[in-house]
Amino acid sequence: GAVVSQHPSRVICKSGTSVKIECRSLDFQATTMFWYRQFPKQSLMLMATSNEGSKATYEQGVEKDKFLINHASLTLSTLTVTSAHPEDSSFYICSATEPHPHLAGGGQETQYFGPGTRLLVL
Amino acid sequence: KNQVEQSPQSLIILEGKNCTLQCNYTVSPFSNLRWYKQDTGRGPVSLTIMTFSENTKSNGRYTATLDADTKQSSLHITASQLSDSASYICVVREFSGGYNKLIFGAGTRLAVHP
Repeated sequence: GAVVSQHPSRVICKSGTSVKIECRSLDFQATTMFWYRQFPKQSLMLMATSNEGSKATYEQGVEKDKFLINHASLTLSTLTVTSAHPEDSSFYICSATEPHPHLAGGGQETQYFGPGTRLLVL
Repeated sequence: KNQVEQSPQSLIILEGKNCTLQCNYTVSPFSNLRWYKQDTGRGPVSLTIMTFSENTKSNGRYTATLDADTKQSSLHITASQLSDSASYICVVREFSGGYNKLIFGAGTRLAVHP
């Protein structure tokens, strides 16, 4: 099946620094990738939808200037947490949708998730 | 109020036993419903996906059911194994024209003990 990778798997940084997380679709091209945040014992919360070649669409309450998303190619999206603070410590997960061979946007595509990145801001 | 409610929040069973996890949703209009397994510190992995016209779908020892009329779904795990210990997440895809949004349940944390 399709594989989505994330790098790094975990990162510890000092408050005020910026952290970049990469999300790659390894064996398919993903025009759309999604970024989620998950706090302990809570469900995944969609942060933004990343579209290749255009600006990301952010969910309500997510600061676009703090969480910078770049979808530079069909296989790579990056999330940069700028001026990170301890409250940004969380589990960040990306996902990508493998295009259906026959249906366009039919909603039946499987969404593959990356393994996640654990961010700890001290 | 969350549009996807899962129960129980957590569950402990003995290895070899069966269990059933519940998911109730109010998402409308509804496109499809998915069950994911998420191991601790890992990303979710898809188990099943069902549209409103499907009542049941199996994937090995996992069997999902869907009642679109009552907006209920269940995930039945047969002959549980220690490796089944994980969070199981019910995800409903909201259909709204060209924009389809996934609504996540909080998950059921399953612990399988020897």
